[in-house]
Amino acid sequence: ETGVTQSPTHLIKTRGQQVTLRCSSQSGHNTVSWYQQALGQGPQFIFQYYREEENGRGNFPPRFSGLQFPNYSSELNVNALELDDSALYLCASSPGRDSSYNEQFFGPGTRLTVL
Amino acid sequence: QQPVQSPQAVILREGEDAVINCSSSKALYSVHWYRQKHGEAPVFLMILLKGGEQKGHDKISASFNEKKQQSSLYLTASQLSYSGTYFCGTSGSARQLTFGSGTQLTVLP
Repeated sequence: ETGVTQSPTHLIKTRGQQVTLRCSSQSGHNTVSWYQQALGQGPQFIFQYYREEENGRGNFPPRFSGLQFPNYSSELNVNALELDDSALYLCASSPGRDSSYNEQFFGPGTRLTVL
Repeated sequence: QQPVQSPQAVILREGEDAVINCSSSKALYSVHWYRQKHGEAPVFLMILLKGGEQKGHDKISASFNEKKQQSSLYLTASQLSYSGTYFCGTSGSARQLTFGSGTQLTVLP
């Protein structure tokens, strides 16, 4: 059983650019959630996908979008990067449809710096 | 709405006990507890569900007061490995987790 992996580990972008972050969920986990974690803060929920469909979204603008693929991988896309987007981005996978009912397995995160 | 955790930070000696609290202003379906060490991913500790069901590690104990929308995590006989930041995550009708700002726990030898 492999854990949750994310790529890249670190990324530096400039304001206005676009970025794609990738996550590989634990095998058999149909739900993936993405979080933004600013320094010294708890993770903030961005959105959640279940079997390739978005089934929950936090208070983030539409320039944050995602995809989930049948092979348990997923992407987080952020357009028109802003300085405040600098953060650690975490993905977490869980079995079943309801991640609030199940343990979430977090990946190590991608550290995004926007200059 | 973000749950409120207290205390914000606590320093212990090995073997001492600690309690971390989490409270919400909204009706809760579940409370999750995670520990995150510096530079690492959050690690699951426990889930407490409305109705009394709990899922988690044997050495961790926690309580969930549904009427008061409060949860407490009990760390007994603390070890150096317990050091880290503890987050509670709560879910209501939307069934998505909202995390608190964390409690930084330091265990000294």
